[in-house]
Amino acid sequence: GQQLNQSPQSMFIQEGEDVSMNCTSSSIFNTWLWYKQDPGEGPVLLIALYKAGELTSNGRLTAQFGITRKDSFLNISASIPSDVGIYFCAGLRGGATNKLIFGTGTLLAVQP
Amino acid sequence: NAGVTQTPKFRVLKTGQSMTLLCAQDMNHEYMYWYRQDPGMGLRLIHYSVGEGTTAKGEVPDGYNVSRLKKQNFLLGLESAAPSQTSVYFCASSYSETYEQYFGPGTRLTVT
Repeated sequence: GQQLNQSPQSMFIQEGEDVSMNCTSSSIFNTWLWYKQDPGEGPVLLIALYKAGELTSNGRLTAQFGITRKDSFLNISASIPSDVGIYFCAGLRGGATNKLIFGTGTLLAVQP
Repeated sequence: NAGVTQTPKFRVLKTGQSMTLLCAQDMNHEYMYWYRQDPGMGLRLIHYSVGEGTTAKGEVPDGYNVSRLKKQNFLLGLESAAPSQTSVYFCASSYSETYEQYFGPGTRLTVT
């Protein structure tokens, strides 16, 4: 099935560093979502974006809906060990057969 | 407010056995979804429902059936389990097709 291109695939960083990841598509999306999944758990919604150019923060997390509507970015500032997990972007196109399309995921490891 | 709950959390089946996974949400959401998550494949939509009494096929519906007799519940059935159905199954719900989806904790199913 279709998946969004998400990069990087994995990141290994030191505690306190900032993190950036992005998601791109050849298609336009009306909504961009960012989820985090911990091992053995379901994806948890972090940030939802509904408008092109929108910049939204949730604590140390900031996400942006790209102007072209074909991409989105997630930044994590001052990372901490509990940020470890897999981060997924997901997009909604809209329309009668609107389905959530997921990115391939970014595995984040934070060294204390 | 429990959000989305799933039962059971783990299950082991023999090939040919049947079982039903239960999803419940207390957010009064109209839309509910069943996904499976496999390594390297991301989340794939099995079936979804746009309201009580409705169901529709997703990306990978073969071998599964669903029912939505009550708005808050969405059941996923496997009539004759196969090893290819070994996976982690997630249920999700949303207010409408344009809103973010909230996920349950998952059911890990192994078919031997």
